[in-house]
Amino acid sequence: GAVVSQHPSWVICKSGTSVKIECRSLDFQATTMFWYRQFPKQSLMLMATSNEGSKATYEQGVEKDKFLINHASLTLSTLTVTSAHPEDSSFYICSASPRVFLTYEQYFGPGTRLTVT
Amino acid sequence: AQRVTQPEKLLSVFKGAPVELKCNYSYSGSPELFWYVQYSRQRLQLLLRHISRESIKGFTADLNKGETSFHLKKPFAQEEDSAMYYCALKKYGNKLVFGAGTILRVKS
Repeated sequence: GAVVSQHPSWVICKSGTSVKIECRSLDFQATTMFWYRQFPKQSLMLMATSNEGSKATYEQGVEKDKFLINHASLTLSTLTVTSAHPEDSSFYICSASPRVFLTYEQYFGPGTRLTVT
Repeated sequence: AQRVTQPEKLLSVFKGAPVELKCNYSYSGSPELFWYVQYSRQRLQLLLRHISRESIKGFTADLNKGETSFHLKKPFAQEEDSAMYYCALKKYGNKLVFGAGTILRVKS
């Protein structure tokens, strides 16, 4: 149980275009989903927290107009990288927390590798 | 500010040797700490949490508030333990702050 999927697993896009990444909790409802960014051989950096039915909260230094997050349902959150540039190339990972009182566990997706050319 | 420090990028040990992956934290409140593991070509997964005081796959970690540490230990390393290990701190809003990670290589 507690499986999180991401789609696509990897994507290449041209500079200036937008790309959408989906994060789904397959067998549980997630009140909260988190989006992370991971540079090669570096740690995960939290970008934003996504709560179902409300606006995402972004960490300091993350441009909310560039990284649009939508948490439309209890099983789906999307991250859209708008007007992508080569410096946005990275590994994007989502995690989801089940809708259980006081739970703190995050289940991680496999990640999406974005390459902007 | 909340911070997690893993001072070693790489730890290489022989099979059967003891392992200690270091983790120090900085947090003003009462900390909740975790160890996550990422095996080759797999997703990040929770290894253990300090609240549970459990032993998973032979690994244990004790929270030492005086030294602000949460080191991960295993008395006898196995080859299948080779992976990337991340120490993480939970802050407000269930957000996790990760350390830089330590690669553990267990040599035969």
